[in-house]
Amino acid sequence: GENVEQHPSTLSVQEGDSAVIKCTYSDSASNYFPWYKQELGKRPQLIIDIRSNVGEKKDQRIAVTLNKTAKHFSLHITETQPEDSAVYFCAATFSSGSARQLTFGSGTQLTVLP
Amino acid sequence: EAGVVQSPRYKIIEKKQPVAFWCNPISGHNTLYWYRQNLGQGPELLIRYENEEAVDDSQLPKDRFSAERLKGVDSTLKIQPAELGDSAVYLCASSGASGSLTQYFGPGTRLTVL
Repeated sequence: GENVEQHPSTLSVQEGDSAVIKCTYSDSASNYFPWYKQELGKRPQLIIDIRSNVGEKKDQRIAVTLNKTAKHFSLHITETQPEDSAVYFCAATFSSGSARQLTFGSGTQLTVLP
Repeated sequence: EAGVVQSPRYKIIEKKQPVAFWCNPISGHNTLYWYRQNLGQGPELLIRYENEEAVDDSQLPKDRFSAERLKGVDSTLKIQPAELGDSAVYLCASSGASGSLTQYFGPGTRLTVL
């Protein structure tokens, strides 16, 4: 099955700086890679996702890049703000027909220092 | 539209007692997932339903866990009897029409087994 590794486990940045979280996956057939943000005691919320036919996707201050050859993808947050502080999870899945099982990374606790 | 609804939000029980969690997915979402999230880790899939059919339950500990989605809408996850190691947050998620990859999570039920 799929295995997703996520680094770093904790990340502290100064407000306004950029943050980068990296994930690697094992199954070369995986073709969908979402990122979720989870604030303490709250539900995971999708913040951005990318499919394997795209190398990069941006949404305002958030971007995700995908390197299929190396089997890794990264989340980039620019101009960080205190409200970006949360746990971020990457995930990967191979989607074909009814097969749609997300495998999550272990999470990155991001702290943005004011 | 309303998001995924779960109840109860918190449950404290003694070991060997039974417990049940309820999930109401987003209206019209055919696919429903139950995940377990241990402290400091990413969600792990327990079971996935396509309408009323359990299509992936390979990671559900069937000796004590059971789930149902009788009418293809609401779902219930049960543990009987609960063990200390079952303490975790149980998350329900749903996704839309066939081919939709985005999973929307509920707020979860935090289970504490004493």
